Amino acid sequence: AQSVTQPDARVTVSEGASLQLRCKYSYSGTPYLFWYVQYPRQGLQLLLKYYSGDPVVQGVNGFEAEFIKSNSSFHLRKASVHWSDSAVYFCAVTPSNYNVLYFGSGTKLTVEP
Amino acid sequence: EAAVTQSPRNKVTVTGGNVTLSCRQTNSHNYMYWYRQDTGHGLRLIHYSYGAGNLQIGDVPDGYKATRTTQEDFFLLLELASPSQTSLYFCASSHRQTSQNTLYFGAGTRLSVL
Repeated sequence: AQSVTQPDARVTVSEGASLQLRCKYSYSGTPYLFWYVQYPRQGLQLLLKYYSGDPVVQGVNGFEAEFIKSNSSFHLRKASVHWSDSAVYFCAVTPSNYNVLYFGSGTKLTVEP
Repeated sequence: EAAVTQSPRNKVTVTGGNVTLSCRQTNSHNYMYWYRQDTGHGLRLIHYSYGAGNLQIGDVPDGYKATRTTQEDFFLLLELASPSQTSLYFCASSHRQTSQNTLYFGAGTRLSVL
């Protein structure tokens, strides 16, 4: 069965600092991987996704993620965070031949001024 | 832009009550999903469907029914609501070919069962 682990429930960083949110998945094949963001009182929105090819994928608003198959990880990064990045971030996985996403428990990011 | 609309946005009911949550998508997507979101658990899949009349069981289906009446409309039914079903519910849609498993979410329905 597929599973996703986001080990950090809460992360606090200062505005302008760099960011890494961790995600590890459990799946024997090569999955499709996603990061979604949830702003307060809103639904989830896609940040970026990985299907194949270059293991570093770029997303919206300066976010990127790197797929490391040997480590079963798909960590999210941003070079310099802004206060508007404060939100809950979800990592998700699906097998390549399947159309259901499995989500991690989410990481709440707070960006301090 | 893909559009998924959920109603109501907020709902309060009593234990044993009957609740229907509605979802409509105008994306021409074939897949639709119901998830619940709880602190510490993230999003968990309740039911999903790949077309009108079809229903697939998700990971936490107990106490829930669902019905896909048209390609656009997907309903979640709680016939005997319990306090454990107090949660934030999200509907989503996707298309296997055109959206490549990317889910588009509604704004959510917050349900409280007293």
